[in-house]
Amino acid sequence: EAGVAQSPRYKIIEKRQSVAFWCNPISGHATLYWYQQILGQGPKLLIQFQNNGVVDDSQLPKDRFSAERLKGVDSTLKIQPAKLEDSAVYLCASSLGPRRHFGPGTRLTVT
Amino acid sequence: GDSVTQMEGPVTLSEEAFLTINCTYTATGYPSLFWYVQYPGEGLQLLLKATKADDKGSNKGFEATYRKETTSFHLEKGSVQVSDSAVYFCALSHNTDKLIFGTGTRLQVFP
Repeated sequence: EAGVAQSPRYKIIEKRQSVAFWCNPISGHATLYWYQQILGQGPKLLIQFQNNGVVDDSQLPKDRFSAERLKGVDSTLKIQPAKLEDSAVYLCASSLGPRRHFGPGTRLTVT
Repeated sequence: GDSVTQMEGPVTLSEEAFLTINCTYTATGYPSLFWYVQYPGEGLQLLLKATKADDKGSNKGFEATYRKETTSFHLEKGSVQVSDSAVYFCALSHNTDKLIFGTGTRLQVFP
């Protein structure tokens, strides 16, 4: 089966600019996750979707981050405006049962 | 709250050496414990897991035993290969399906 796809793989922006990341989960996977992985730290959950509904967004900085999952398939994560501390790898994962499948991530550098 | 602590890396070994990466956790109750691996340029992959005390997870020559008395889940392999070079993450999941990761340990294996 095809894995979780993410794009772009790399993005460099200046602070205060906006950026969007895209995730295409494995076909049929109802649950989709976005994680933030800052250099030297473990991944931190930003938001979890079940189909197109939000299950957990308690650690999403809602003043600047937003995410949507239209039609319960693809998802986009947006940052507006970006700050220097948003530099990280953004991982998307999907699952049908208990096992998560992770995408390769998008590396964001904010200068 | 729940947390995971891993030994800092990098861990540098010669091929065929014995590997131990320490992981301890803090959690109420009985979480499930996981080891994930991230090869260069790839997404996180589940390596092994254990769901209750004294369980041993194993995969690809790697093993880890869930030790409730010491709240540990150390990763071991008897003979590492160059292809094992990667970043290894210990993680726990407690009731809510939320994965909490450690900071990761980079393993470098030289021929």
